[in-house]
Amino acid sequence: DIVLTQSPDTLSLSPGERGTLSCRASQSVRSFLAWYQQRPGQPPRLLIFDTSNRATGVPARFTGSGSGTDYNLTISSLEPEDVAVYYCQQRSDWPPLTFGGGTKVEIK
Amino acid sequence: EVQLLQSGAEVKKSGATVKISCKISGYTFTNFYIHWVRQAPGKGLEWMGLVDPQDGQGRYAEKFHARVALTADTSTDTAYMELSSLRSEDTALYYCATEGTSGSYYFDYWGQGTLITVSS
Repeated sequence: DIVLTQSPDTLSLSPGERGTLSCRASQSVRSFLAWYQQRPGQPPRLLIFDTSNRATGVPARFTGSGSGTDYNLTISSLEPEDVAVYYCQQRSDWPPLTFGGGTKVEIK
Repeated sequence: EVQLLQSGAEVKKSGATVKISCKISGYTFTNFYIHWVRQAPGKGLEWMGLVDPQDGQGRYAEKFHARVALTADTSTDTAYMELSSLRSEDTALYYCATEGTSGSYYFDYWGQGTLITVSS
């Protein structure tokens, strides 16, 4: 199974600040990587698919990048509604489809 | 508008079987695979498997293969997840999710979740 390791566990940012979340895979996922946002009490929401493609309605402040085993999600300017847990997910080699453990983004 | 409406919370005893549903609307039911993902309290996301509503075939994570059955009823546009031999570790929020324009094996749409509580 492909293991996805996310860092940091928690990211504390001030409003308007830039932040980067990391997802490292145990083997190459060939850019078949997505990011999800889960706000408290809500189901996850797809943000980014295939490394860098924004899903419908996702604000431009969310940017995905990476290749091989290392991927990032960057929030260019934190808004209060971005407080959430963010998960990466791979579809390169399955079953199983796997998720990272999550990064919690909070307001400093 | 795509909607996934899941059945209500369940409380079961250890060793029992539970079956929950996911009613889908807003697109042609057979167009996309339907996935099930669970989330234990305060924990991350765990993929359980998928069902192809066109032919009813399921693909499962090895961890759940012996205990889970995923089905799809094309007459009612409803998917089902049945989990047997329940244990306390199965206490979690269970989501159905479907694909969309992002491509296969990503989750564009999610249900609201069904809480399954397993007590001894």
